[in-house]
Amino acid sequence: DTAVSQTPKYLVTQMGNDKSIKCEQNLGHDTMYWYKQDSKKFLKIMFSYNNKELIINETVPNRFSPKSPDKAHLNLHINSLELGDSAVYFCASSLTGSTDTQYFGPGTRLTVL
Amino acid sequence: DQQVKQNSPSLSVQEGRISILNCDYTNSMFDYFLWYKKYPAEGPTFLISISSIKDKNEDGRFTVFLNKSAKHLSLHIVPSQPGDSAVYFCAVYNYGQNFVFGPGTRLSVLP
Repeated sequence: DTAVSQTPKYLVTQMGNDKSIKCEQNLGHDTMYWYKQDSKKFLKIMFSYNNKELIINETVPNRFSPKSPDKAHLNLHINSLELGDSAVYFCASSLTGSTDTQYFGPGTRLTVL
Repeated sequence: DQQVKQNSPSLSVQEGRISILNCDYTNSMFDYFLWYKKYPAEGPTFLISISSIKDKNEDGRFTVFLNKSAKHLSLHIVPSQPGDSAVYFCAVYNYGQNFVFGPGTRLSVLP
């Protein structure tokens, strides 16, 4: 019955590799998000996406790209991984994109060696 | 350039007492404010929110206070319970923008 799920939970990989993190929500929400929790524990928005619009945080390198095969999924692709990409990545969803409560997935801890 | 600050990284409170978590923000244009709670190895979960037209919102043991002139938000938990031990994130929102989260405060409720 998990509302927002992410796979994998842990991801360890070498620098320079390309990897993906999957996110699925079964809440029927229209908007999905990716957040990065950095070393200082700040949760920073990377992308928000609904079937009409992708909003990208301008500080996110273009090595990161969201892919949405359908409304229930928003996957995160990362190319040419760097050491600084090591963090916990959270997926979230909300009914619409305004002040609706965001429901978070459990997070994916990415470690780049 | 932190738009949202939670200056106490951690807080310890005795069970049954009041827990007060604080949050300060810099932009007076923010108009919606939330608190999220996070347990280890889980994602944040929504706790309570308040819009800028109010100064207080209560939900059971949880009350959020908003002081717009001071750009200050606080969460009161009364009475505190051991199960409240978690990291609490303050989040703010400006219409048309995305949520901005603070760095969190780790609350420990001691039995």
